[in-house]
Amino acid sequence: GAVVSQHPSWVICKSGTSVKIECRSLDFQATTMFWYRQFPKQSLMLMATSNEGSKATYEQGVEKDKFLINHASLTLSTLTVTSAHPEDSSFYICSATISSGANVLTFGAGSRLTVL
Amino acid sequence: GDSVTQMEGPVTLSEEAFLTINCTYTATGYPSLFWYVQYPGEGLQLLLKATKADDKGSNKGFEATYRKETTSFHLEKGSVQVSDSAVYFCALSAQNTGFQKLVFGTGTRLLVSP
Repeated sequence: GAVVSQHPSWVICKSGTSVKIECRSLDFQATTMFWYRQFPKQSLMLMATSNEGSKATYEQGVEKDKFLINHASLTLSTLTVTSAHPEDSSFYICSATISSGANVLTFGAGSRLTVL
Repeated sequence: GDSVTQMEGPVTLSEEAFLTINCTYTATGYPSLFWYVQYPGEGLQLLLKATKADDKGSNKGFEATYRKETTSFHLEKGSVQVSDSAVYFCALSAQNTGFQKLVFGTGTRLLVSP
């Protein structure tokens, strides 16, 4: 079946540094990828939708200059948290869909970011 | 806006017990409804779904029925196993978003003991 891989699975960084998280579709081409964020004991919140070759669409309240999303190929999307602060510490999850009309998504295992 | 409310956990059961995890939703139109399961160290996996009122989604002994009159999509299983221990997420995707954007509940952790 479809597999989505996220890397790294966990990362610790110092405040003010930038961190990149990769999301790869291993055995299918993902026209659309989604990035979610999950705080402890809260829902997964959609941050942005990225389509291959075009700019990401961010949800209301998500800073696009802080959370840079790139979807340069049909198998890779990256999320870069720039100038990270402790409040950015969270669990980041990506998902991918094989076509724009599908309503079934494949999720990565998530990446836990801790900013010191 | 659209939202999903599910019961807080953890839910602790003995093996072979009956499971119900409640889920209610708020949405305009006719959303699709989903249950996702997340096992430790793995990504969310689709467990079952229903796309219209009165549909019943089922998989691996789990069932949920799309009840529009009560805006609910409760997850049930007649006899749980230790291997069912995981976090379960109820979610919807709204008709007006092209059914792609998922709105999740907070997740309910299920712990099944032998």
